Amino acid sequence: DGGITQSPKYLFRKEGQNVTLSCEQNLNHDAMYWYRQDPGQGLRLIYYSQIVNDFQKGDIAEGYSVSREKKESFPLTVTSAQKNPTAFYLCASSKMRGYEQYFGPGTRLTVT
Amino acid sequence: EDKVVQSPLSLVVHEGDTVTLNCSYEVTNFRSLLWYKQEKKAPTFLFMLTSSGIEKKSGRLSSILDKKELFSILNITATQTGDSAVYLCAVERGSEKLVFGKGTKLTVNP
Repeated sequence: DGGITQSPKYLFRKEGQNVTLSCEQNLNHDAMYWYRQDPGQGLRLIYYSQIVNDFQKGDIAEGYSVSREKKESFPLTVTSAQKNPTAFYLCASSKMRGYEQYFGPGTRLTVT
Repeated sequence: EDKVVQSPLSLVVHEGDTVTLNCSYEVTNFRSLLWYKQEKKAPTFLFMLTSSGIEKKSGRLSSILDKKELFSILNITATQTGDSAVYLCAVERGSEKLVFGKGTKLTVNP
């Protein structure tokens, strides 16, 4: 079955630790995206990538980093520099520019 | 500043009712408007609208875009409890990025 997988579903970390969220897709999509969703807020774009080895900052990139070494994978690292990392993180992919985005099941990160 | 505003933020109806969800937007270089349904985790794609006045329909759901007045509506007829979800509206800008509204939480009671 084609789709987007994110792991883990729930993640707990102590303040000051970096943590990496996984996102994999087997849809053969070129573009991949990371969003953050907070209660009562819309989704906000963290980073996106249109092709392998290239990525762009979104609206709230500070404190986050990404890599795109393979077409299928777009991991997100939440660094200790991110001031409010506790949130629901969603990964998405799309065929290419102008096509709808499909979302993974999300990772709920809690930092204490 | 680009913005997408959805209304109402929350709505409670009874099964069988018809609902209309609203989405207005102000973005630079509009490309398309998308509707998603989010039940518990991943938003699932409903519609993508690019042209004014052309209704898109899928079962009991339909949507239309007005590019002159900068809004879209999502209609759900004969609502069912399974329609309970948060409905997200997003607008794609010329930069290829999506701007999301805060969502409308729909609760359908039996």
